[in-house]
Parts: sequence; structure tokens; C-alpha cells
Amino acid sequence: NAGVTQTPKFRVLKTGQSMTLLCAQDMNHEYMYWYRQDPGMGLRLIHYSVGEGTTAKGEVPDGYNVSRLKKQNFLLGLESAAPSQTSVYFCASSRDNPDTQYFGPGTRLLVL
Amino acid sequence: GQQVMQIPQYQHVQEGEDFTTYCNSSTTLSNIQWYKQRPGGHPVFLIQLVKSGEVKKQKRLTFQFGEAKKNSSLHITATQTTDVGTYFCAGGSGNTPLVFGKGTRLSVIA
Repeated sequence: NAGVTQTPKFRVLKTGQSMTLLCAQDMNHEYMYWYRQDPGMGLRLIHYSVGEGTTAKGEVPDGYNVSRLKKQNFLLGLESAAPSQTSVYFCASSRDNPDTQYFGPGTRLLVL
Repeated sequence: GQQVMQIPQYQHVQEGEDFTTYCNSSTTLSNIQWYKQRPGGHPVFLIQLVKSGEVKKQKRLTFQFGEAKKNSSLHITATQTTDVGTYFCAGGSGNTPLVFGKGTRLSVIA
């Protein structure tokens, strides 16, 4: 049981480049979440999904898109990266809401 | 929308001293969860409280949920260096996702 995994672990982008962050969970959880963590700001919800094929906006969705084509995967896309998107991105999943959230190890993104 | 405030932002203690972090919600919560994030790590679930006035203990950690279900606290007795990290509360209300506080970063001086 790997739990929640994230790919890649670290990435450097130039302003305007695009990329996709992949989150995978093997716990058959319905709910999945993408957060960003910046110093002093805690965890801010970007987008979340309540099941396969569904997505919803969180607190800070602008500049990001998501897709949940398969129950076990939740993708976060940056179409045109900006320096303000430099952050640590965490994916999480839960069986239900509210319920324990299991977090992945994080992706550290630097946008130059 | 719902807001969850957490204080203090930072706390430095000598090893063996006690530590408390407080969490306050702008709305009544259905439950509150606490997570711990070690430096360089990811948040890990500690506990969930759902009942008004509930108190739960995990070894040296004591968690409380207020009578009005709008506030909570985490108290650590006799801190150890292994307690270092950031502690987050997260409030749940209805069908909306959890709202996390900004966390309290604890450092322990040996």
C-alpha cells in the first residue's frame, strides 16, 4: 500500500511554461484534494474532487486546472506558470468528507 | 466563508516545558481535526473531535473541542525534541471541504 504518491518531487519552470502534477492514491478514496503551502499561509485548497469525473474549485483556483478521469488519479495543471505559483503542492485523499485526509509527500515547484 | 484562525503562529519552548496551540472558527463546526507536519514532511493526521466539549488524549497530547464547537486546543505536556513541527487544526462543516488554520510552528530547545 503506497498510500498517496505525487510526481514529480521537484520541478523548475520558466514563466509561461506549462506542466502537470500527478497525484495517485491506492486506497479507493472518493475524495481528492490539491493544496498549496506557502510560508506563513498554511494549507490553501486549490481544487478538489468528490468522485471520478467531478471537480470543484477551492479557495485559490485561479491559474490552475484539474482533471479526475480515473478514481485513483487527480491531475493538477498549470497552463502558463507564474512566479507567484512557486510553492509546495500537496495532494490528499479521503474516504469521505469530513474524514481523515491522507497527504502525499509534496511537489516543490519553483517558477523563475 | 468559513475561516479558521490559529494562534500562536510560532512557539519556542525549552525541552520539558508545556505547549498549547489554539484554534478558533468563525462558524460552528461539525468536527475538528488536528494534523502534524514535521520539517520537510507532509501533514499527518493526529485526531478528530466531533462532540461538544470532547477531550481526547494521546500520551502527552491533549485535544479539546469547545462547548460551542467553534474552538479547539492542543496541549502538549513536557515537550520533547520529537514534538518539533507545525501543528494544524482543520475545521469541517457540512459538505464543504476542511478549512485548515495557518498552523503553529513549534520548536523545542534541548
